[in-house]
Amino acid sequence: GENVEQHPSTLSVQEGDSAVIKCTYSDSASNYFPWYKQELGKGPQLIIDIRSNVGEKKDQRIAVTLNKTAKHFSLHITETQPEDSAVYFCAASKRDNFNKFYFGSGTKLNVKP
Amino acid sequence: GAVVSQHPSWVICKSGTSVKIECRSLDFQATTMFWYRQFPKQSLMLMATSNEGSKATYEQGVEKDKFLINHASLTLSTLTVTSAHPEDSSFYICSAPTGLAGGAKNIQYFGAGTRLSVL
Repeated sequence: GENVEQHPSTLSVQEGDSAVIKCTYSDSASNYFPWYKQELGKGPQLIIDIRSNVGEKKDQRIAVTLNKTAKHFSLHITETQPEDSAVYFCAASKRDNFNKFYFGSGTKLNVKP
Repeated sequence: GAVVSQHPSWVICKSGTSVKIECRSLDFQATTMFWYRQFPKQSLMLMATSNEGSKATYEQGVEKDKFLINHASLTLSTLTVTSAHPEDSSFYICSAPTGLAGGAKNIQYFGAGTRLSVL
C-alpha cells in the first residue's frame, strides 16, 4: 500500500517568513495530492491540491509543487500570518479509488507574531 | 464549497454503552464516505469505507463488529461504536468525496469531527 512521510513534524517561523513542508510517497500510481489544514478540535480543511499532470499550483500565498519522478511534493506558504498556525497534513490517493487517502503524519506550524 | 456535517461534536458515555455518530453530506450526494480515527497529536487513520447500499469495507486491524457502519442513503452514513471502552476514546472524523471516482472535480470534504470520551 501507499506510505506517505511528512517533514518536519513541527515548524516555527516568524510572521512574514515563508514555511515549507515536504512529503514523499511510495506508490507511483498515486495521482492526487491534497493538503489539509486542521485547527485544534476541528476537522481538516482542504487548502490546496495538485494532480499528477501538473508540476506546480499556486493560490495566493499558498503553493504546492510536485516531483513525480522523485515522488515528493511540498507545500509553500509565503508571508505567513499568525492565523496560519495549525497542523498541516499532506495526503496521497488514486483518483480512481474514490479518494481513499493516505495521510502524512502532520506538521504543526507555529507562526510567531 | 461542499459541506459535510457531523453530529454530535462531542459525546461522553459510560463504558459498555453504544454510541452512534452521524455524517451527512449537506449539498451533494455521496455514494462513498470514509471514517477516520485520530489520536491526540497524530495523523488520521482510515478505519473504513462506507458504501451506500452495501457493506462497508474495513481497513486491516479494524474490528467490524466493534465499529458498525451503515450508509442507508446517499447523504447519510453512521458509525456506531458498540460496547465502548475507554480505549475507544478518540476523535472520529468522516469525509465524503464529491463527484465520481476519477473525475476531475472529485474533492474530499471532511466533517468537523466527533470527540468520544468513554468513562
